[in-house]
Formats: sequence, C-alpha cells, structure tokens
Amino acid sequence: GENVEQHPSTLSVQEGDSAVIKCTYSDSASNYFPWYKQELGKRPQLIIDIRSNVGEKKDQRIAVTLNKTAKHFSLHITETQPEDSAVYFCASGGSQGNLIFGKGTKLSVKP
Amino acid sequence: GAGVSQSPSNKVTEKGKDVELRCDPISGHTALYWYRQRLGQGLEFLIYFQGNSAPDKSGLPSDRFSAERTGESVSTLTIQRTQQEDSAVYLCASRIRGLVSDTQYFGPGTRLTVL
Repeated sequence: GENVEQHPSTLSVQEGDSAVIKCTYSDSASNYFPWYKQELGKRPQLIIDIRSNVGEKKDQRIAVTLNKTAKHFSLHITETQPEDSAVYFCASGGSQGNLIFGKGTKLSVKP
Repeated sequence: GAGVSQSPSNKVTEKGKDVELRCDPISGHTALYWYRQRLGQGLEFLIYFQGNSAPDKSGLPSDRFSAERTGESVSTLTIQRTQQEDSAVYLCASRIRGLVSDTQYFGPGTRLTVL
C-alpha cells in the first residue's frame, strides 16, 4: 500500500541553526505534500504545503522542496527558534482524497 | 468561525466496553477524516467521508471500529469491546471539499484510555 517514510525521527539543533526533515513517498500518483506541526498536547496544524507542479516553496523561515522523479520532499527551517520545537509530520496525497502521514520528527531547538 | 470540535476531550473506559466519539466538522466542509495517534506515534488514517459517497474504510483496524456521518455534519466513531491497545488520541479533521489539496483542519482530539 501507500507509504511515507520520514527521517530523522528526532532532531536536535542549536537556536539559529537550520533544520532539515526528509520524506519519501511510494505512490507515484501523489500530487500534494503538506507539512504539519504538532506542539505537545495540541492538534496538528498546517505550516506549508507544495503541489506537484512546483519544485520549491518558501514562507519566511520555512521552505519545502519536492523531487518528483526521486519521490522525495523536504522541509527546511532556517534560523531556528525555541518555539519551533515540536513534532513535524509530512504527508502525501493523491487522487484518493486522503493523506498518508509520515511517523513524525521531534525537533528540539536548544537556546 | 468555529473550528473542528470533538467530544469528549477525554474518555476513560474499561476493557470490553463500547465507546462513541463525536466530531463536529467546520460548517460547509464536505470531507471528514478520522485518525488515530498512539502516544509518540504518527497519524494513522482510519476512515474518510466525502459528501454522500460511500466512505473509505480502508484504514479501520478491525471490525470493532465503525463510523457514521449524517449528511455533511456530525460524525461518530464507535469502538466496540474496547481493548487496551485502542488507547490513543483520536483526531478528526475536515476539509472544505474532497480535493486532496484542500487543507485539512484538525480537531483537538479525544484521548481514549482503556483500563
């Protein structure tokens, strides 16, 4: 079945450094790739997404890149801040209407 | 406007009992999803409703799990004969349409504990 692999499972960085989280997907029909941030005890919230017709998208300190040929996409956070500490989930979606999520990356930003 | 709401926020039950979890989607959202999130784990897709189409039940882990949705409103997830491994946070999400590229908005979840 469809599968999304996400790495690393945990990531610790110093404040101000960059963080990169990578995901690969198996369904070649997938065309939508959102990233969700989940703070402890809270609901997941969309932070950025990318559609298959573009290779990169930026929103302030956050960027996502997509390589459809290799079927992988990445989240880049620059100038990390302690409030970026959370669990980040990637997901992929296609014609079926539902999203398949990765297992999450726990990001810790140390002041 | 109001977001996705879920009730109860917490539910403690004994093994073998049935539980019913409720989700109120954002008004006007035609698509509704249920996910399960075990402690420290990712989001496990359970079931997806889109308008009046037959639901996608492919993620339900066993026949003890079922869900209903009346029109484009409230949905209930029912777990029969609960087991300890059912303990998790159950998240509901809604989306304005069935297009996968529309944003899914999550509810706060129901934390289920099976003793």
